[in-house]
Amino acid sequence: QVQLQESGPGLVKPSETLSLTCTVSGGSTTTYYWSWIRQPPGKGLEWIGYMYYSGITNYNPSLKSRVTISVDTSKNQFSLKLSSVTAADTAVYYCARDQGRDGYLDWGQGILVTVSS
Amino acid sequence: SYELTQPPSVSVSPGQTASITCSGDKLGDKYACWYQQKPGQSPVLIIYQNSKRPSGIPERFSGSNSGNTATLTISGTQAMDEADYYCQAWDSSTVVFGGGTKLTVL
Repeated sequence: QVQLQESGPGLVKPSETLSLTCTVSGGSTTTYYWSWIRQPPGKGLEWIGYMYYSGITNYNPSLKSRVTISVDTSKNQFSLKLSSVTAADTAVYYCARDQGRDGYLDWGQGILVTVSS
Repeated sequence: SYELTQPPSVSVSPGQTASITCSGDKLGDKYACWYQQKPGQSPVLIIYQNSKRPSGIPERFSGSNSGNTATLTISGTQAMDEADYYCQAWDSSTVVFGGGTKLTVL
């Protein structure tokens, strides 16, 4: 069974870049979609985007100008970069494996990232 | 952009049936998933491909999807089912979540 684990700083300063990594075990990043989803405190889930194993990416239009998702198949990891962060980007960030439109999401445990000076 | 609409809250008495809806344009032409999320935890898959239950999910959870509405039904609701529930589907190569429904078991 696939397991996903987020890692990265829990505190980021405004205007800086948020960087997170997701380490995958029990599965290979050479297949499926590799996604990031976030959840602001007390709010619902927001899809950030994914990278397909082929290298194709797709991002939430509301975040597209600030987001980069990449996959490192040699390390079985994928990453998220979100630039020019503000307090509105404070959230629990989840990494997930997405099996596609006829599948479902396998979730990591999530990591709280706070944007504050 | 595509939207999935859920009621913000649903209340049910223990042992009764709870129904949570998820509405979107021609949602019945897509596959819907449902996730349960308890405080401080990651979402857990409870229904995929509209009506399939992963192993380990109790039979009291069931799903359907037709027309513009997907429905999650919990039969014989238990106190442990109190949680937030999210529907999810794909549209035009993007992933969409409903706004979530808080299920209260009173």
